[in-house]
Amino acid sequence: AQKVTQAQTEISVVEKEDVTLDCVYETRDTTYYLFWYKQPPSGELVFLIRRNSFDEQNEISGRYSWNFQKSTSSFNFTITASQVVDSAVYFCALSEYGNYQLIWGAGTKLIIKP
Amino acid sequence: DTAVSQTPKYLVTQMGNDKSIKCEQNLGHDTMYWYKQDSKKFLKIMFSYNNKELIINETVPNRFSPKSPDKAHLNLHINSLELGDSAVYFCASSPPGTANTEAFFGQGTRLTVV
Repeated sequence: AQKVTQAQTEISVVEKEDVTLDCVYETRDTTYYLFWYKQPPSGELVFLIRRNSFDEQNEISGRYSWNFQKSTSSFNFTITASQVVDSAVYFCALSEYGNYQLIWGAGTKLIIKP
Repeated sequence: DTAVSQTPKYLVTQMGNDKSIKCEQNLGHDTMYWYKQDSKKFLKIMFSYNNKELIINETVPNRFSPKSPDKAHLNLHINSLELGDSAVYFCASSPPGTANTEAFFGQGTRLTVV
């Protein structure tokens, strides 16, 4: 069965702190894809990253970084030196090879206080 | 310039009415989706079309009917609206070639049934 768990419902930090959002997934496939999306207060869903199961290299994009560990079935997202504009709901999602359907986590609401 | 556009952005209507939400993408994508996001932010796929062919049809009431007149459009028609249909509906599209590519979302349509 496919499942994505984002155990942190809400995280609140002060600006400039680093914050990590956890994502744990379950799948029986050996080939799968993991995603992160951001939903700011304005409501749109913004694609952040896509990772396939054969690529365990960590990814860094500016202040954002992602740590993919197959051994623990996790795909965690870290924001370094957080800013108020990072406040949003962040979703982790999974799709198995050849499957158009995304399985979504419940989302983590991130609040960055000035 | 909007890549995936939905209309209307807000829709308030009475129970029992029939309404449609329109979606258009100008990205040249082959696959389009409808998602429902409930009040707890949980995202669930409803339908997906690939090259105008229905490929995902999740368990939704048959009051919901998607229509894809061409690859760039996927409209959602809802008959006999109920209070429980109140949610945000997102249209999305993904690039051609294979499944498992990232999806690009519209701004969402907030439907309120009173």
